[in-house]
Amino acid sequence: EAQVTQNPRYLITVTGKKLTVTCSQNMNHEYMSWYRQDPGLGLRQIYYSMNVEVTDKGDVPEGYKVSRKEKRNFPLILESPSPNQTSLYFCASSFIWGAPATDTQYFGPGTRLTVL
Amino acid sequence: SQQGEEDPQALSIQEGENATMNCSYKTSINNLQWYRQNSGRGLVHLILIRSNEREKHSGRLRVTLDTSKKSSSLLITASRAADTASYFCAEKAGGTSYGKLTFGQGTILTVHP
Repeated sequence: EAQVTQNPRYLITVTGKKLTVTCSQNMNHEYMSWYRQDPGLGLRQIYYSMNVEVTDKGDVPEGYKVSRKEKRNFPLILESPSPNQTSLYFCASSFIWGAPATDTQYFGPGTRLTVL
Repeated sequence: SQQGEEDPQALSIQEGENATMNCSYKTSINNLQWYRQNSGRGLVHLILIRSNEREKHSGRLRVTLDTSKKSSSLLITASRAADTASYFCAEKAGGTSYGKLTFGQGTILTVHP
C-alpha cells in the first residue's frame, strides 16, 4: 500500500531533550516536506527536500533540522525542543518530475508533539 | 512569505446545497492545490490547477483560478454530510522558490443532513 508513515504518532517530552520524528514513504517520491499545524495558523512549511541531499528552508525553519540521506526517509530533528514547538506535525511527499499530474502531495497521519 | 487567505473561515450548509470557498494568494504560482482534512488527520489532495489553467473539474468539485486577481475558488456541488471537513488551498511557488508550498488557513465546512 502506497503510504507516508510517521513515528511516533504522539510524543510528550520536556524542554531541551533532543528528539527525532521519522518520516518514510514507499512511493519513490523525490519531494518530501514537513509542516506544522497550529490552531488559527493553518499549516506552515518547516523544511522541504527536492531530492537526496537537497534540502531547503520553508517558512518556519527555526529550531528544526532535517536530513535526506535516503530517498524514502526524511527525519525531522528538534535538537532542543521548546514549548512553542508544541504542535501537530505532518510529513508529505510527492513526485516533482515526469507527468503533468504530479505535485500531488501525500500526507502522513501526523505526529502530535507536546513539549513541557 | 505570508500565508494566503481563505474565505469564509467557516461555512454551514444543508445537504444538497452547493458550497463555495475562496482563496487569495500572494506569490507568483506554479500551481494551486486544494486539500481536505478531517478533524486532525492528514490532508488529502483534492485537485490541482496550474497557473495556465482557468478551470478544472473533478467529480462534484470545480476549481477556478484567476491569476490576475491572485485568487481561486473551490465549488462543491450537491454537498453531502460526508463532505464535512476543513478545506485548504495551497500555493506552489514558481521560479527559484519551486518546492515551497504555502497553505491558507482553511475553511471549516459543515454540511447538515
